[in-house]
Amino acid sequence: NAGVTQTPKFQVLKTGQSMTLQCAQDMNHNSMYWYRQDPGMGLRLIYYSASEGTTDKGEVPNGYNVSRLNKREFSLRLESAAPSQTSVYFCASSKIVPSNQPQHFGDGTRLSIL
Amino acid sequence: QKEVEQNSGPLSVPEGAIASLNCTYSDRGSQSFFWYRQYSGKSPELIMFIYSNGDKEDGRFTAQLNKASQYVSLLIRDSQPSDSATYLCAVTHNYGQNFVFGPGTRLSVLP
Repeated sequence: NAGVTQTPKFQVLKTGQSMTLQCAQDMNHNSMYWYRQDPGMGLRLIYYSASEGTTDKGEVPNGYNVSRLNKREFSLRLESAAPSQTSVYFCASSKIVPSNQPQHFGDGTRLSIL
Repeated sequence: QKEVEQNSGPLSVPEGAIASLNCTYSDRGSQSFFWYRQYSGKSPELIMFIYSNGDKEDGRFTAQLNKASQYVSLLIRDSQPSDSATYLCAVTHNYGQNFVFGPGTRLSVLP
């Protein structure tokens, strides 16, 4: 009963390094999302994929890229990490659009950039 | 700019009392409304959602929606210390594909 699985759970990077956060869901959902959560800021959408083969920018896409590898997997890449990208990153999925479908979240990746 | 506002709290209530959490939104085109609970260090988990004006009850939780006044609330009856968490309000629009989350209200239920 995995739901949405994110890897890694924790990561420390140096400024300028790159890395990819992985997300996979086993609920046969069509839509997937990447959020970041900072203290006092709530959840902010980075990128989303309404369906396999499509991706779109959210509220805070700068410094990130995404890949919808297949229906199950949606990855987030930081090409050149900056301290401002220190955050908790959540992946989520939902059944379909329109957007009245609830989103289900993974456990998050805690990322620190020094 | 679509905005969702919540009182950041902390909201403190004694065990057994009713906790009332409020959320206001700016976009009159908003259609669907969700409440998530997030324990410290954990991911958000869905509590309930509401689409129509009025009340929707699920166990100890009641969501109330008033589209004319642009607010949605969550009532927690018989509050327990285990209800202590941050509660996130999320709003969506039929013409969009995304949630807009409020900053969350931290609830503390005192034994």
